[in-house]
Amino acid sequence: EIVMTQSPATLSVSPGERATLSCRASQSVSSNLAWYQQKPGQAPRLLIYGASTRATGIPARFSGSGSGTEFTLTISSLQSEDFAVYYCQQYNNWPLYTFGQGTKLEIK
Amino acid sequence: EVQLVESGGGLVKPGGSLRLSCAASGFTFSSYSMNWVRQAPGKGLEWVSSISSSSSYIYYADSVKGRFTISRDNAKNSLYLQMNSLRAEDTAVYYCAAPDILTGPYDYWGQGTLVTVSS
Repeated sequence: EIVMTQSPATLSVSPGERATLSCRASQSVSSNLAWYQQKPGQAPRLLIYGASTRATGIPARFSGSGSGTEFTLTISSLQSEDFAVYYCQQYNNWPLYTFGQGTKLEIK
Repeated sequence: EVQLVESGGGLVKPGGSLRLSCAASGFTFSSYSMNWVRQAPGKGLEWVSSISSSSSYIYYADSVKGRFTISRDNAKNSLYLQMNSLRAEDTAVYYCAAPDILTGPYDYWGQGTLVTVSS
């Protein structure tokens, strides 16, 4: 099983500032990496797939980078609606996809 | 518009059974693999089970293997999860999720249904 490790567990950032979230895979997943946003009481929403491609309707302030085992999600200028929990997911080997444990992005 | 609507959750005693359903609309259900993902209270996301479009391929997480059974009815655009021998650690919100392509991430999610296993 591919283990996904996210850091930090909690990130405190002020609105308008940049947030950088990390995700590491225990073995290479190529670019088969997705990021999801989840708000309380809601289902996860796909933000990024293919490590760097924004899903439909996702604002340009969200960007993803990386390949292999190291990945980053960057939110360039935080809006109030961006404070949520973010999960990375590898989908390199259907259907044995695994998620990271999540990073909670909170208001500083 | 793609819609996935789960139902069937509830309170069940340890050792009991429950059957979850997921009604799909807005896409050609029979062409897509489908998945169940769960989230224990205050915890992260855990893949549970997947089924290919024609039910030829079925997979389970080790944590549910031998106790849960995934199935689908393409004529009814529905996905199911039969859960037997339930344990307290199965308590979670259960989501059905679908990718846009077979080997892609989960583009579409239902709203989830809560399963609580408690005496």
